[in-house]
Amino acid sequence: DAGVTQSPTHLIKTRGQQVTLRCSPKSGHDTVSWYQQALGQGPQFIFQYYEEEERQRGNFPDRFSGHQFPNYSSELNVNALLLGDSALYLCASSLELRSSYNEQFFGPGTRLTVL
Amino acid sequence: QKEVEQNSGPLSVPEGAIASLNCTYSDRGSQSFFWYRQYSGKSPELIMSIYSNGDKEDGRFTAQLNKASQYVSLLIRDSQPSDSATYLCAASVSSGSARQLTFGSGTQLTVLP
Repeated sequence: DAGVTQSPTHLIKTRGQQVTLRCSPKSGHDTVSWYQQALGQGPQFIFQYYEEEERQRGNFPDRFSGHQFPNYSSELNVNALLLGDSALYLCASSLELRSSYNEQFFGPGTRLTVL
Repeated sequence: QKEVEQNSGPLSVPEGAIASLNCTYSDRGSQSFFWYRQYSGKSPELIMSIYSNGDKEDGRFTAQLNKASQYVSLLIRDSQPSDSATYLCAASVSSGSARQLTFGSGTQLTVLP
C-alpha cells in the first residue's frame, strides 16, 4: 500500500525565487491538503484540493497557489519567496467518501530553506 | 479565531509510567479529533482518531473526548523511550465543502529509561 509521497525532500532557494513542490496521495485517496509547519509549531492549513479544484484556503497570501491533476497528485507553488517561507511543507491525503471523519495522512514533507 | 490549545511541555515521564497529554479546542463545530506523533525531523504520523464522547483504546493508547468541556486527551500506558516525540492534537473543522485540520502547537514528551 503506497503511502503519501512528496518531492523534493529538501530545497534551498533565495529570496524572490519561485518554488514548486509535488505530492502524490496515498493509494485510493482523492483529496490533497497542504500545510506549512514552522519550527516548533503545529502545521498550518494552506489549502485543499478535490476534483482538481481548490475547495478551501487558509490564511495564506496569493503567492501560494496549487494544482491538482486528474491522477489526484498535486503541486504547491510559492512565488516571490520570503525568508519567512522557510518551513516544512506537508502534503496530506484523505478520501472524500470518508470526509465526515477527515482522517488525513501526511507525506514525509519538503524542507524549504529560503536564504 | 478557531484554536486548539495543548498543555505546555516539555513533559518527562519514567519508562513504564502513564503519560497524559491534554488538549482543548474553541470551535464547538469541530467534529473529529486526532492525535499525531511527530519524531524530530519527521512528518506527523496519525496514531489515534476519536469522533464520539468517551474513551477509545488502541493498544497502549487511549484517547478521551468530552465535547461538553471541549477537551481531548491522550493517555500512553507503559511508556517506552521510543514514545519520546512531539504529540500534536488536531480538530477537524468544516468550512464549506472542505474539512481542514487545526493543530495545536504540540507537546514534547520525553520518556526516561
